[in-house]
Amino acid sequence: ETGVTQSPTHLIKTRGQQVTLRCSSQSGHNTVSWYQQALGQGPQFIFQYYREEENGRGNFPPRFSGLQFPNYSSELNVNALELDDSALYLCASSPHGAEPREAKNIQYFGAGTRLSVL
Amino acid sequence: KQEVTQIPAALSVPEGENLVLNCSFTDSAIYNLQWFRQDPGKGLTSLLLIQSSQREQTSGRLNASLDKSSGRSTLYIAASQPGDSATYLCAVREAAGNKLTFGGGTRVLVKP
Repeated sequence: ETGVTQSPTHLIKTRGQQVTLRCSSQSGHNTVSWYQQALGQGPQFIFQYYREEENGRGNFPPRFSGLQFPNYSSELNVNALELDDSALYLCASSPHGAEPREAKNIQYFGAGTRLSVL
Repeated sequence: KQEVTQIPAALSVPEGENLVLNCSFTDSAIYNLQWFRQDPGKGLTSLLLIQSSQREQTSGRLNASLDKSSGRSTLYIAASQPGDSATYLCAVREAAGNKLTFGGGTRVLVKP
């Protein structure tokens, strides 16, 4: 158990719809990162939030957006869903995301949300 | 752009045999490298983290080495057991940012 919880565990949507995924970070962690993992592939970095501000973004279009709340929980929103958005979405929390010199900064992953777009 | 490769993509061994999993990365400017385990349909479990200044880390039957200059890491699992069957992923954290860049994983099957 990492203390990182994601909801829902599974979700089925149709093309063109919008979806919101949620993540509660481990207690004391102020940084949340989101990853997309397509079937049979490694996770791909979507973006990271530190103290409610976006702190780095991967190669994903603007229809992927996020929020971080004062309690450091986070949401991932995806608009205009496409079939290729079907994947496992992973959330990871860490304590000091804005300090890259902290080499011991380990990211703790949740169990993920499985999104299927039909 | 950092690229991480894991070879082989899949591996099947009899119980008791030692496992050797390879990971290579293109940019040696990393802060650390982490090995994860992933069971089917599940999240990631961190196994070992090696700082950029370290050469290896050990935890029980697991040993991971890092050669930053050549862009390689190896995960050794001694005396494999059927419960070791899973996908193993390596990820590097780059010096210039906070994200992890993952390899595609090695799917391991340990046969009883």
